[in-house]
Amino acid sequence: GENVEQHPSTLSVQEGDSAVIKCTYSDSASNYFPWYKQELGKRPQLIIDIRSNVGEKKDQRIAVTLNKTAKHFSLHITETQPEDSAVYFCAASRRAAGNKLTFGGGTRVLVKP
Amino acid sequence: DTGVSQDPRHKITKRGQNVTFRCDPISEHNRLYWYRQTLGQGPEFLTYFQNEAQLEKSRLLSDRFSAERPKGSFSTLEIQRTEQGDSAMYLCASSFFGQTNTEAFFGQGTRLTVV
Repeated sequence: GENVEQHPSTLSVQEGDSAVIKCTYSDSASNYFPWYKQELGKRPQLIIDIRSNVGEKKDQRIAVTLNKTAKHFSLHITETQPEDSAVYFCAASRRAAGNKLTFGGGTRVLVKP
Repeated sequence: DTGVSQDPRHKITKRGQNVTFRCDPISEHNRLYWYRQTLGQGPEFLTYFQNEAQLEKSRLLSDRFSAERPKGSFSTLEIQRTEQGDSAMYLCASSFFGQTNTEAFFGQGTRLTVV
């Protein structure tokens, strides 16, 4: 089955700096890679996703890159703000959005004002 | 809130008791997933339904766990003879899977504590 590894497990950055979280996956058939943000006591919410026919996707201050050959993908947050403090999870699935997800272990991001 | 809802939000039970959780997905979604999340970990897949059919169960799901989605709408997850190791957040998610796919939307979870 799929295995997703995520690094680092914790990340502390100064407000305004960039944050980068990296994930690797094992199943070459995976072709959909979402990122979820989970604030304390709240539900995971999708913040950005990427499909395997695309190498990079941007949405305002967040971007995701995918390297299919190396089987890794990364989340980049620029100009971090205190409200970016949360746990971020990467995930992978086969076929498409809406299919079952295999999650990484999560990265706790703390943005210091 | 018309998203995925779960009930109860919190459940404390004694070891050996049975518990049942409910999930109401987004109404037009045909897929419903159950995940388990322990502290400091990512959600782990347990099982999923497409309409009323249970299509896959994880090997994590012991025979003490059973899930149903009788009319293809809400789902229940029952844990029999609870153990302390069952303490976790149980998350439900729904999506539409077909010619047009949606992302998975999560509920707020049911936090189970077995004492």
